[in-house]
Amino acid sequence: EDQVTQSPEALRLQEGESSSLNCSYTVSGLRGLFWYRQDPGKGPEFLFTLYSAGEEKEKERLKATLTKKESFLHITAPKPEDSATYLCAVQASGGSNYKLTFGKGTLLTVNP
Amino acid sequence: NAGVTQTPKFQVLKTGQSMTLQCAQDMNHEYMSWYRQDPGMGLRLIHYSVGAGITDQGEVPNGYNVSRSTTEDFPLRLLSAAPSQTSVYFCASSYSFSNQPQHFGDGTRLSIL
Repeated sequence: EDQVTQSPEALRLQEGESSSLNCSYTVSGLRGLFWYRQDPGKGPEFLFTLYSAGEEKEKERLKATLTKKESFLHITAPKPEDSATYLCAVQASGGSNYKLTFGKGTLLTVNP
Repeated sequence: NAGVTQTPKFQVLKTGQSMTLQCAQDMNHEYMSWYRQDPGMGLRLIHYSVGAGITDQGEVPNGYNVSRSTTEDFPLRLLSAAPSQTSVYFCASSYSFSNQPQHFGDGTRLSIL
């Protein structure tokens, strides 16, 4: 069974204090790993897709990396507007490739 | 281009009532899906569709029904609402089901009393 574990559950940072969020996954074969951002009362907003170990993607202050067992979302010099819940999801390449398996998310709070 | 539109945004039902959650997308996406999001749990797939006329079950399909008569619309029906179905429901769509990012609506918050 595909599994996704995100850590920490919650992270509080000061503005400008860089950190990383972790997404560990177990999947029979990885078709893609997705990062989403979710604001309160809104649906998840797509950030990145990673397909193979060693791949990196960047967008503004965010950088996502992928290994064979985990992905990291690095946040450099965060601002209060980066506060949100960050979700990680995997899509398998095998029989369950019709769905995304989501982690429970990391709630990030950035204080000014 | 509105993306994925869900209606209603909020709904309160009594146990045993039925209702339909609406989902529409204007991106000509073939793949559409319904998820529920509960506190302390990840999003879980209820039903999905790979194209008009084709639907299938996800992880938690019991108590829900879907149909896909057009590319644009993918309604979710609760047959006889139960308190366990209190949740936030999200509809998503993507160009295909294979490693394409899914675009989500803003959800329907449903309470069953």
